[in-house]
Amino acid sequence: DADVTQTPRNRITKTGKRIMLECSQTKGHDRMYWYRQDPGLGLRLIYYSFDVKDINKGEISDGYSVSRQAQAKFSLSLESAIPNQTALYFCATSPTSGWSLYNEQFFGPGTRLTVL
Amino acid sequence: AQKITQTQPGMFVQEKEAVTLDCTYDTSDQSYGLFWYKQPSSGEMIFLIYQGSYDEQNATEGRYSLNFQKARKSANLVISASQLGDSAMYFCAMRGSGNTGKLIFGQGTTLQVKP
Repeated sequence: DADVTQTPRNRITKTGKRIMLECSQTKGHDRMYWYRQDPGLGLRLIYYSFDVKDINKGEISDGYSVSRQAQAKFSLSLESAIPNQTALYFCATSPTSGWSLYNEQFFGPGTRLTVL
Repeated sequence: AQKITQTQPGMFVQEKEAVTLDCTYDTSDQSYGLFWYKQPSSGEMIFLIYQGSYDEQNATEGRYSLNFQKARKSANLVISASQLGDSAMYFCAMRGSGNTGKLIFGQGTTLQVKP
């Protein structure tokens, strides 16, 4: 089984709808991240969390919110989806222990979201 | 501010040849880490190789090596003996010395391996 899972894998929705993307991990990592990928822009950080009570905005948090329900679960919500939020969304985890620069981030398989 | 630049949107290489994917970075941190990820057409992000700013030797992982030139702020990925399965998007990323652990990504380079 995959260590980092994302649901749904694909979603098509309409402008104005609320949508939630879910991420679960079995790696036991404290740190979780949400990124979005757009063609020609690479991946950009939306939100990140160090634990259930520690949530932080990334560089493109406008229009998004998150919830860290447990150490293993980190959800991303689009309160009112708009077409320019059409993108590939990734959840990632990393451990806190040790020298953080050397800790790899482990990515989920991605959620392809289309907002019509 | 930290920045990663990948100037090659697309690259072609003949099967079994070596290819270099360019990556330059900008940071004021003294301690940082550089990563390369591979993204095949299926979409997942696959970690390839890591280089720390204080590592004196270039990192190697199988057919992947990282040509780290600190003074020039470059961290190019070298793939030796290219295979058809190497066709993918490749991302260079950097983690700075702040405690967020977040990665800053470049725009990516699409590599196509020709038979």
